[in-house]
Amino acid sequence: SQQGEEDPQALSIQEGENATMNCSYKTSINNLQWYRQNSGRGLVHLILIRSNEREKHSGRLRVTLDTSKKSSSLLITASRAADTASYFCATAARDDKIIFGKGTRLHILP
Amino acid sequence: EAGVTQFPSHSVIEKGQTVTLRCDPISGHDNLYWYRRVMGKEIKFLLHFVKESKQDESGMPNNRFLAERTGGTYSTLKVQPAELEDSGVYFCASSHGGLAGYYEQYFGPGTRLTVT
Repeated sequence: SQQGEEDPQALSIQEGENATMNCSYKTSINNLQWYRQNSGRGLVHLILIRSNEREKHSGRLRVTLDTSKKSSSLLITASRAADTASYFCATAARDDKIIFGKGTRLHILP
Repeated sequence: EAGVTQFPSHSVIEKGQTVTLRCDPISGHDNLYWYRRVMGKEIKFLLHFVKESKQDESGMPNNRFLAERTGGTYSTLKVQPAELEDSGVYFCASSHGGLAGYYEQYFGPGTRLTVT
C-alpha cells in the first residue's frame, strides 16, 4: 500500500520565495526522509528526521514531523533556480524498506 | 568517500534480450537496496540485501528478475528476458548496518533501462 503522499503534486514559485511541500503517510515509521531528484539525475538525500524528532534544519531546509497526524512538511526558504527539481518524501519502518511518495515537482521562476 | 555507483547509466535493449545492472555500494555498507521507478509512477522497493543475504525480496515483480550480491560487496540485477514494461530507472542504495530504518540510505544515480 502506498505510504508517503506529497502535496501539492506541482508547485511554481518566484525565485526568493519560500516553498512548502507536505507529505502524509499511513503507518508507523522509524524515520522519514526527503530526497531531491533533478531532471535526469539520481536521488539526492536532503534530510532525515526520526520518529522521536519534531523539527530539523539543514541550511535553507526545514523539516517538521507530526507523528500524531502522520504528516511532514519540507520548507525551502529563499528559493533559487537550482532548487527546481522533484522532491520526494520516503518513510522507513522497522523492516528498513523505504516507501516513496509520487513526489512534488517544484519549479522556481526567475 | 566514494558514493554509490551504478553501471551502466543507460541501457537500451530489445524485448526478449537480457540485461545486467550493477551496483557498487559505499564501502563498508552492509545494506544494499534496489528500487525502480517506472515512467509516471512512484519509486518502488524491489529488494534488500544484508551483506550477501536477501533480507527482503517482496518487491521483485516476477521471476524474470534475479539479484545477487556475491561476497557481500557489489550487486547485480539481471532481467531475463526483458519485457517492455521493465523500462524505467533502476536505483541502488546502501546504508550502514544496524537498527532497521535508523540510517539514511544513499542512492546511486540510477540506470535508465529502455526496452524496445
